[in-house]
Amino acid sequence: AQSVTQLDSQVPVFEEAPVELRCNYSSSVSVYLFWYVQYPNQGLQLLLKYLSGSTLVKGINGFEAEFNKSQTSFHLRKPSVHISDTAEYFCAVSHTGTASKLTFGTGTRLQVTL
Amino acid sequence: DTAVSQTPKYLVTQMGNDKSIKCEQNLGHDTMYWYKQDSKKFLKIMFSYNNKELIINETVPNRFSPKSPDKAHLNLHINSLELGDSAVYFCASSQAPGGDGYTFGSGTRLTVV
Repeated sequence: AQSVTQLDSQVPVFEEAPVELRCNYSSSVSVYLFWYVQYPNQGLQLLLKYLSGSTLVKGINGFEAEFNKSQTSFHLRKPSVHISDTAEYFCAVSHTGTASKLTFGTGTRLQVTL
Repeated sequence: DTAVSQTPKYLVTQMGNDKSIKCEQNLGHDTMYWYKQDSKKFLKIMFSYNNKELIINETVPNRFSPKSPDKAHLNLHINSLELGDSAVYFCASSQAPGGDGYTFGSGTRLTVV
């Protein structure tokens, strides 16, 4: 079984400040890791993914994440946020196999203010 | 051209009714999914089909019945709707089960009154 923990339900931050959204996972097998963003009243959009290879992954909108196997973490970072980054962010985990599924964390609300 | 499209976008209905939500993907993916997002934004998988074959069936009341006429379509039929079924339902697809990320539809907001 796999699970994802997003430690912060809400993260308030001022515009142009850096931000880190935390994600830890648990799995007994090798995993794939993802970050999705959900803007108000919209579907989920893939920000970035880690499948294998380099542990530092760059995504859209200036976001990046680092896979840390020893700490079972996949934290999302952005060096300078914009008001338009205000949204719900979901970390998710899956693995290979016909019965695999994407398991989501509970989400982190990023609130960017002036 | 929308990759994963769901209809309707909004659905308001009375308790006890039967309703369907349709989903179509034009990405050529083999696997499709239904997820439920509750009022606290928690996303939970309901069903998954791979090439029209059911491969994941989570603990979902049997009032919910998915149907996949072909690998590009996955519909969700709900019988005897209850207040607790109110949620946003998302369809998604992927090339292979679990891998490489999913493409999500824009969701169907179901409100049972």
